Amino acid sequence: EAGVTQFPSHSVIEKGQTVTLRCDPISGHDNLYWYRRVMGKEIKFLLHFVKESKQDESGMPNNRFLAERTGGTYSTLKVQPAELEDSGVYFCASSHQTASTDTQYFGPGTRLTVL
Amino acid sequence: RKEVEQDPGPFNVPEGATVAFNCTYSNSASQSFFWYRQDCRKEPKLLMSVYSSGNEDGRFTAQLNRASQYISLLIRDSKLSDSATYLCAARGRTYKYIFGTGTRLKVLA
Repeated sequence: EAGVTQFPSHSVIEKGQTVTLRCDPISGHDNLYWYRRVMGKEIKFLLHFVKESKQDESGMPNNRFLAERTGGTYSTLKVQPAELEDSGVYFCASSHQTASTDTQYFGPGTRLTVL
Repeated sequence: RKEVEQDPGPFNVPEGATVAFNCTYSNSASQSFFWYRQDCRKEPKLLMSVYSSGNEDGRFTAQLNRASQYISLLIRDSKLSDSATYLCAARGRTYKYIFGTGTRLKVLA
């Protein structure tokens, strides 16, 4: 079974530019999560989709970040315009159900560097 | 105070040693807990889930102490390949995970 995949693996952009990250969850997983790890800090939650609906976006830093999951399959996370503090590793995770014993499986992450 | 706290380490132990990490959490409503292993520049990979008092899988044992609000991870007979960062995560009534900063383990030959 294929795991969570993310594209690109690395992205280097200049401040003010736009970047779009993509996540393909494990097939059949309705739940998709975005997390971010800024250097030296812990992995932090950004948002949670159930199918195509945003269940919880309490972790989104500001309105420069836009996440979508049209059709309830893959998801994109767009940062526009990017700022220096957006640099970090963006992880996507997916899970099958939202029971209390549910487990999230992580993708390899996209390493974003904003210059 | 962070919701989930871990000693960052590093813990340097010889091969064959037993090593234990603790992870404390501040939200008493947390329902389930997870230990993930993360190798350098890789994704976190699930090591163990902890829902009740504890869980054991081979050389790895996780324990949950709800009264004192901590979970522990015990690794017996450490291997060189166990060298990694071990992340603790807690989940409450919402589905998001709250992570600690991780504990670095280096197993030395």
